[in-house]
Amino acid sequence: RKEVEQDPGPFNVPEGATVAFNCTYSNSASQSFFWYRQDCRKEPKLLMSVYSSGNEDGRFTAQLNRASQYISLLIRDSKLSDSATYLCVAMGGKLIFGQGTELSVKP
Amino acid sequence: DTGVSQDPRHKITKRGQNVTFRCDPISEHNRLYWYRQTLGQGPEFLTYFQNEAQLEKSRLLSDRFSAERPKGSFSTLEIQRTEQGDSAMYLCASSSDDPVYTYEQYFGPGTRLTVT
Repeated sequence: RKEVEQDPGPFNVPEGATVAFNCTYSNSASQSFFWYRQDCRKEPKLLMSVYSSGNEDGRFTAQLNRASQYISLLIRDSKLSDSATYLCVAMGGKLIFGQGTELSVKP
Repeated sequence: DTGVSQDPRHKITKRGQNVTFRCDPISEHNRLYWYRQTLGQGPEFLTYFQNEAQLEKSRLLSDRFSAERPKGSFSTLEIQRTEQGDSAMYLCASSSDDPVYTYEQYFGPGTRLTVT
């Protein structure tokens, strides 16, 4: 079993839709959690950190449930430019990436 | 450009040949990481350096793989006797060693290796 698991998608949504990604992690010793974004054939870039209290950055909201070992990312009012792969990441010394969830936003 | 750079960007080699990749991190970053990414998967950790010291190696890093960071600046990743299963994107990343910021890793554009 992978340490960080995500639904690979693809998620195909129309512009303006709200889309939610889920992620689970198996190592309860993981200390910190993040979402990275990776555009096609590009390098991953940090999108946002994830806190138990929730973290909101504009149209993006990330949430952590330590009891369930579950992480989520919600994107509201999705834009064409949101099309990318979203990588769930757990950190316990080093970064452990999920396989990524592909999002395609259509006009 | 003061970001992470990698060279070469693409490498095609025949099975059994040795290859070496270079990574130049952001100059003020003490930590340097190597990852491997295959199609449809997230990056997989290979190894990381704190200055010139190699602090951790993944079990993915077989004896054919070796990484160095001799002066605590650039790093090289060498693969000996390449196999077709080594075909992947090799990503380098760097970060500050400040515990508050080590999670924010800045990635280079990667070296895409194809073993024929």
